[in-house]
Amino acid sequence: EPEVTQTPSHQVTQMGQEVILRCVPISNHLYFYWYRQILGQKVEFLVSFYNNEISEKSEIFDDQFSVERPDGSNFTLKIRSTKLEDSAMYFCASSEAWTDTQYFGPGTRLTVL
Amino acid sequence: SQQGEEDPQALSIQEGENATMNCSYKTSINNLQWYRQNSGRGLVHLILIRSNEREKHSGRLRVTLDTSKKSSSLLITASRAADTASYFCATESINDMRFGAGTRLTVKP
Repeated sequence: EPEVTQTPSHQVTQMGQEVILRCVPISNHLYFYWYRQILGQKVEFLVSFYNNEISEKSEIFDDQFSVERPDGSNFTLKIRSTKLEDSAMYFCASSEAWTDTQYFGPGTRLTVL
Repeated sequence: SQQGEEDPQALSIQEGENATMNCSYKTSINNLQWYRQNSGRGLVHLILIRSNEREKHSGRLRVTLDTSKKSSSLLITASRAADTASYFCATESINDMRFGAGTRLTVKP
């Protein structure tokens, strides 16, 4: 069964550094999403992406964040100048259509020291 | 693979009926959360139930948790067409969160 994959599973970085989180969505899916979950809190929507453009973004998704689909398979989330409060689980998801069920990856745990 | 497993994968009911979705998981958890997927904006948080709780209510939603069976259920009473969506459970353990595959609920008017 196809699945969404994410790398790395755990990323540790120093405050102020840039990180790139990678996702490989399911191959025939066209819509891509990033979420984050701070430990103990609810999952928060960051951004959705379609046709090489951002479709929707939340208030959290400020200039510190960017997304890209650099090739036909990867979908990345870049966080510039990380802050301590960026420590969280970051989930990628993909769906075939706008209204279809999203499939979630296993997440990347980001720890900012 | 994802820890939470929802069943059924798809559920179709008439407006006014109750909808029950189940979630099973494998390891010990701190809490379990139910989410609804809204197109475009992604997940909307519905209810969080902690491992020491057995039942929680929020409006037309009722969630139960049975840690001995490692399972949870989400009941939506008096369903409406607007409840049509995918519903996910997510289990949080000490340092991890996992999503299930979701249940696609269709409520017919």
